[in-house]
Amino acid sequence: GQNIDQPTEMTATEGAIVQINCTYQTSGFNGLFWYQQHAGEAPTFLSYNVLDGLEEKGRFSSFLSRSKGYSYLLLKELQMKDSASYLCAVRRDYKLSFGAGTTVTVRA
Amino acid sequence: ETGVTQTPRHLVMGMTNKKSLKCEQHLGHNAMYWYKQSAKKPLELMFVYNFKEQTENNSVPSRFSPECPNSSHLFLHLHTLQPEDSALYLCASSPGQDKNIQYFGAGTRLSVL
Repeated sequence: GQNIDQPTEMTATEGAIVQINCTYQTSGFNGLFWYQQHAGEAPTFLSYNVLDGLEEKGRFSSFLSRSKGYSYLLLKELQMKDSASYLCAVRRDYKLSFGAGTTVTVRA
Repeated sequence: ETGVTQTPRHLVMGMTNKKSLKCEQHLGHNAMYWYKQSAKKPLELMFVYNFKEQTENNSVPSRFSPECPNSSHLFLHLHTLQPEDSALYLCASSPGQDKNIQYFGAGTRLSVL
């Protein structure tokens, strides 16, 4: 199956940390991507994991556990501009399958 | 600016109209994709082109007809659409269809009346 599950919505305060979880079916797995999409804009690439462990990129980090079919995106020192939808996507063969996205709202 | 440009950004059409969506990428990529994004639903892959050849048709109804004249341009021709086809249509490109990151355009918001 290709079920990719992530929470629908999350709310956090400016300066805080938020963790967005993503679970997926492990069959045929060949990489996991996180994208950010602001309303009315293009999804933009944030991170890519193909091996287990943590990838850090400034305020954003992404973690992968292939055996558990689990990833998370960690956003630190939240800023108002981080309010957006965050999409988890799993690659199988050459195709990406997306979760429905997690809408993160950052409050002052 | 992602290097992938889609036009028009918004389109309203009747069910008997014929229209086309255009996508152009300036990244030198060889693979291009059409996705459909409906509210609260995951992005759905529609078509994949690699070096101008269609390599994927994800059971898309024939009222959607893609065209890829070269590696930089991708079109989606629309005819006799249904109201449930109203959605955001996103184009993406990548260096090759088996290569990592896909870069997306901002999409065309389509409303079918």
